[in-house]
Amino acid sequence: GQNIDQPTEMTATEGAIVQINCTYQTSGFNGLFWYQQHAGEAPTFLSYNVLDGLEEKGRFSSFLSRSKGYSYLLLKELQMKDSASYLCAVTDSNYQLIWGAGTKLIIKP
Amino acid sequence: GAVVSQHPSRVICKSGTSVKIECRSLDFQATTMFWYRQFPKKSLMLMATSNEGSKATYEQGVEKDKFLINHASLTLSTLTVTSAHPEDSSFYICSARVGGQDYGYTFGSGTRLTVV
Repeated sequence: GQNIDQPTEMTATEGAIVQINCTYQTSGFNGLFWYQQHAGEAPTFLSYNVLDGLEEKGRFSSFLSRSKGYSYLLLKELQMKDSASYLCAVTDSNYQLIWGAGTKLIIKP
Repeated sequence: GAVVSQHPSRVICKSGTSVKIECRSLDFQATTMFWYRQFPKKSLMLMATSNEGSKATYEQGVEKDKFLINHASLTLSTLTVTSAHPEDSSFYICSARVGGQDYGYTFGSGTRLTVV
């Protein structure tokens, strides 16, 4: 079956760095997305990786290793507003989007 | 950027009534719209994929007659929850794929449905 695993919850301190991991087993691969979702709101797009390596966008970076079925989202200089759920999603060979359950990130002062 | 407008944001209805949720793509044409349901602290669950001018494709376990989807134009898709029951209370979100370098999906703002 198709599966995406990410930690349920993580806690970090304001100003610090946190890495949220995602591993996947899917039938084919056509890209991996990271989305941010605040409570009661719809997800917002953060990043897209289809080739191996690191993609950097300001305070957020996303890494992909296709051979390992692994990705991480790196958040730097954490701010209180970064408290949210972070969803990992993979597009399989049929371009169907498979969602992880999300990682709730709690930022403490 | 590409925007999907979803309405209403919140709705409370009585058991047995029907509720319509609309999603409009404001600055692009969405030939395909995805409808998701999300329970508290859970991930998104794909309910159906709607294609403009054709019948929607429903995921296994989703009742077609209960969740009616219409995609009559390239900018409008609707989800109607018919004969709603309290167990239908949930967060419903629509999404459309956006072309371009990011190959991302843009989401509507979601509809919080409460059936009393």
